[in-house]
Amino acid sequence: EAAVTQSPRNKVTVTGGNVTLSCRQTNSHNYMYWYRQDTGHGLRLIHYSYGAGNLQIGDVPDGYKATRTTQEDFFLLLELASPSQTSLYFCASSDRQKDTQYFGPGTRLLVL
Amino acid sequence: GEKVEQHESTLSVREGDSAVINCTYTDTASSYFPWYKQEAGKSLHFVIDIRSNVDRKQSQRLTVLLDKKAKRFSLHITATQPEDSAIYFCAASIGSFNKLTFGAGTRLAVCP
Repeated sequence: EAAVTQSPRNKVTVTGGNVTLSCRQTNSHNYMYWYRQDTGHGLRLIHYSYGAGNLQIGDVPDGYKATRTTQEDFFLLLELASPSQTSLYFCASSDRQKDTQYFGPGTRLLVL
Repeated sequence: GEKVEQHESTLSVREGDSAVINCTYTDTASSYFPWYKQEAGKSLHFVIDIRSNVDRKQSQRLTVLLDKKAKRFSLHITATQPEDSAIYFCAASIGSFNKLTFGAGTRLAVCP
């Protein structure tokens, strides 16, 4: 079973604050994804990456930056957090040869 | 872009009965349709998928049907058990780089 970890698991910040969410996968997967989960919307793709140094824009990218520093590590950055970014964030990874995505445990972010 | 609609937001069945969750998609180019399960307070994990070159796929008590003409796919769970209670998400992908578009989720409750 693929292993994807996320940190922190919970985060509280204030409007205008700076937040970095971290994701690490240890399965040598090429693809990594950041999603947000909100009731009534399911999961929406924020950013994704094909490999170290690569970044692709997802469906709801506004207010988010991302960086893939290594094969294993993918970060999501909120530089000026807003209450609308309060959500549950999931990271996922998948192999180039197979389509199944493996999800991390999630980070619950509250922006006051 | 692709839109995936999940028709039932909640579904309640009696233990041992069957459950059916229906999804529709908009992009005729979509070719990969996975289903994910999210148990209460947990992350998502893959349960079953289907590709556009077949119209039916079965794995134990789970069956996925795909109707490309109607742009509709469905998850059928037979002999439901309490541990089937969860939120089920359908998703669709055009196939390039595994970029998934998710439905809003169906909360399935299996009652004893």
